[in-house]
Amino acid sequence: GAGVSQTPSNKVTEKGKYVELRCDPISGHTALYWYRQSLGQGPEFLIYFQGTGAADDSGLPNDRFFAVRPEGSVSTLKIQRTERGDSAVYLCASSLDQVGLEVNTEAFFGQGTRLTVV
Amino acid sequence: DAKTTQPNSMESNEEEPVHLPCNHSTISGTDYIHWYRQLPSQGPEYVIHGLTSNVNNRMASLAIAEDRKSSTLILHRATLRDAAVYYCILVYSGAGSYQLTFGKGTKLSVIP
Repeated sequence: GAGVSQTPSNKVTEKGKYVELRCDPISGHTALYWYRQSLGQGPEFLIYFQGTGAADDSGLPNDRFFAVRPEGSVSTLKIQRTERGDSAVYLCASSLDQVGLEVNTEAFFGQGTRLTVV
Repeated sequence: DAKTTQPNSMESNEEEPVHLPCNHSTISGTDYIHWYRQLPSQGPEYVIHGLTSNVNNRMASLAIAEDRKSSTLILHRATLRDAAVYYCILVYSGAGSYQLTFGKGTKLSVIP
């Protein structure tokens, strides 16, 4: 498809389980971002990839959260020992290059994965 | 990061113009003003951006105050599909800028 694809669209898991959320960015986009959105709030930055490397992971809340992008395309957000407070919509976005450069100003978002921890 | 202030909510009648305000009194000279919107159950989508001059595109217009401390997103004829949360975001223009820092935005309701 032409847009950012996230799978699954919904995930229900039990407290303490491990989950993986997948993001397929737009082909050719070097920048990839993960955000988390709780009900009634704006998206909150988690991590930014430039190519294969995590250029900034300062938004990850703790060491239970980890993300990879091994070939510079698809990314996976991994959450270990899930807690009820991890329930949120996880959004992935990609852009041609980092947002803010004059030649690249638009980030494209996927529809998100709604994670529910019960 | 420079912050923005937006009203929590606004209402508009269908087919009427909508003016969504944003205050950014601490904006720096290298900050672009971006607007994104988020329809229900969707990820955010880019609307428009500008630096100093007013901007128009197929979705909306952006009017920027002369001192750049405020801006207004203008939807010329609101439709039901424009009901969304609108986010005003400042983006530093230069290397090392990659975060979009979202606030709570303005929830726009469109009345048929």
